[in-house]
Formats: sequence, C-alpha cells, structure tokens
Amino acid sequence: QQPVQSPQAVILREGEDAVINCSSSKALYSVHWYRQKHGEAPVFLMILLKGGEQKGHEKISASFNEKKQQSSLYLTASQLSYSGTYFCGTDRTGNTPLVFGKGTRLSVIA
Amino acid sequence: DGGITQSPKYLFRKEGQNVTLSCEQNLNHDAMYWYRQDPGQGLRLIYYSQIVNDFQKGDIAEGYSVSREKKESFPLTVTSAQKNPTAFYLCASSRRVQQPQHFGDGTRLSIL
Repeated sequence: QQPVQSPQAVILREGEDAVINCSSSKALYSVHWYRQKHGEAPVFLMILLKGGEQKGHEKISASFNEKKQQSSLYLTASQLSYSGTYFCGTDRTGNTPLVFGKGTRLSVIA
Repeated sequence: DGGITQSPKYLFRKEGQNVTLSCEQNLNHDAMYWYRQDPGQGLRLIYYSQIVNDFQKGDIAEGYSVSREKKESFPLTVTSAQKNPTAFYLCASSRRVQQPQHFGDGTRLSIL
C-alpha cells in the first residue's frame, strides 16, 4: 500500500518552518526520506527505523511514531535550497523494496 | 567518482517498437531498481534485482522486461505491450534492498 503524504504542496518564506507527514495503514519496519529538485535525481536524506528514533540532517530532522505508523519530516529555518519534492518510502519487513508516497512539493521563496 | 549512469537522457519510441533504457553503476551495489515517475504519482517500482541473474516484478511490471547478467548493469526494455510508455524513468541502486538508494539522472521517454 502506498503511504499517504501530507500536505501535497506547501509554500514557505525563507526562515519559516514546515512539517511533512507520511502515514501508512500497515505496520512499518522503516521509513526513508528523499528530496528531488526539479530536473534532478532524488537524493537520500535519512532512514528512520521502528522504535521512534529521531534523526537529523543539517536543519532537517525526522521522527517515526510506531504507534501511529507515521513519520514526520521537520524543516526548520528553511532556505531557498530546500525547495523540491520530498518523498517518503516505506518498508514493512526490512527486506522488501520501498513503496514511495506521491510526494510533497515544497517551495521556499525569498 | 562512483555513481549511476542512465542513457540516453531522451528517447523517442514509435508505435509497435521496443526500446531499451541503459543503467550502469560502479558503486558495487547488489540491488538495482527501475522506477517510473509520472506527474503527481511519485515513484512506482517496475522491477528490482537483489543479485545477478535474479529479478522480481514490482507494482507495474506489465509491458516491461529486464535482465541482470552483470552486477553493474540492469537494462530496462519497454515493449510494444506497454500502451502508455510516456514517462520519466529512474534507475537506482543500493547495497542491499533495505539500504539507501542512489539514483541516476533519468531517461525521459516519449511517443512519436
């Protein structure tokens, strides 16, 4: 089952914060986050494993709520370079390919 | 530098024609993947391979075929049976299936 991402799109001004959510109806083993800038290949950001740990990457961090089967990506003090489409990919067993959500388009304006 | 190379960048297909998209990686990764990307649909898995000479169907394998004769190479053939082939195709690789994926720059396929 494809995970559901929300919101579908968001526009921010530089310095503002945003949260992107990724929800599944099934129990998850891990959640992966990727960012794709326009016309470029997706780039890996981070993996969250079940257990609710939080990870960080520069000013971007994420959490995984095992009870809700939801991961959230937090972007703080956004920069123009954060613009792009963010995808979550979910894995239910630890040994199966990811199923990606439809993506969240983030636009950061000056 | 290690990475994934997809070619060509743009490809045009005539009706009834098969076309092959190339994907080569020098990252020494065991797993390789093919995704189709349509506007607003995210990344949908076509085929994946965990080891040489083995591959598995993804969610939208109909009308596509692959081979994995070498660890470095995972070509995708879009057959004439695929009635709506116009899309952006991405190849990726990872050390194992559950590891982070590295993506190529993609091939954009269009119908003439």
